[in-house]
Amino acid sequence: SQQGEEDPQALSIQEGENATMNCSYKTSINNLQWYRQNSGRGLVHLILIRSNEREKHSGRLRVTLDTSKKSSSLLITASRAADTASYFCATDAAGGGNKLTFGTGTQLKVEL
Amino acid sequence: DTEVTQTPKHLVMGMTNKKSLKCEQHMGHRAMYWYKQKAKKPPELMFVYSYEKLSINESVPSRFSPECPNSSLLNLHLHALQPEDSALYLCASSQDEISGELFFGEGSRLTVL
Repeated sequence: SQQGEEDPQALSIQEGENATMNCSYKTSINNLQWYRQNSGRGLVHLILIRSNEREKHSGRLRVTLDTSKKSSSLLITASRAADTASYFCATDAAGGGNKLTFGTGTQLKVEL
Repeated sequence: DTEVTQTPKHLVMGMTNKKSLKCEQHMGHRAMYWYKQKAKKPPELMFVYSYEKLSINESVPSRFSPECPNSSLLNLHLHALQPEDSALYLCASSQDEISGELFFGEGSRLTVL
């Protein structure tokens, strides 16, 4: 299984602080994506980073990818209460098409 | 229109019932997906349709039967389900099956009694 492991499983921070989540995976990939899920709702795509990229930014999000370590991190800067959600990394195996395998997820709680 | 619409939002069914989940997208996407998500777990891929043809079946039991009537619609027919099939069923679409962002619906929460 290529299912990624994410850590921490849960993270609680104060509004304004930064939140960092990590994802590890097992096989070679084409892309790595991060998704956000509010409780019991659908997933929303946040950012995609290709296997030949090392870092990508989108607004308050910064994603890094280290293919030699098979790991990625998602940094959310200046967090807000509205960022409270579960965050999943998802990978597609090299040559496997868009068959995404999701990591175990990090539950982020941002408190006022 | 960047929405994937799923109906119904909630469904309760008995083990002998037959029901269907529906999914619709109007983004011109050619790949559509069914995922199953149990509480506090990541989504797990069930089926992938590419250009209206089933391209991936992740060894899903035959009591789940997918159907893609046209490029905008995806159904999941349910029959003789078990209580352990209770979960959130998520539909998604993407431009194609090669790579890229998935657009998810809000899901159908299924309870099997």
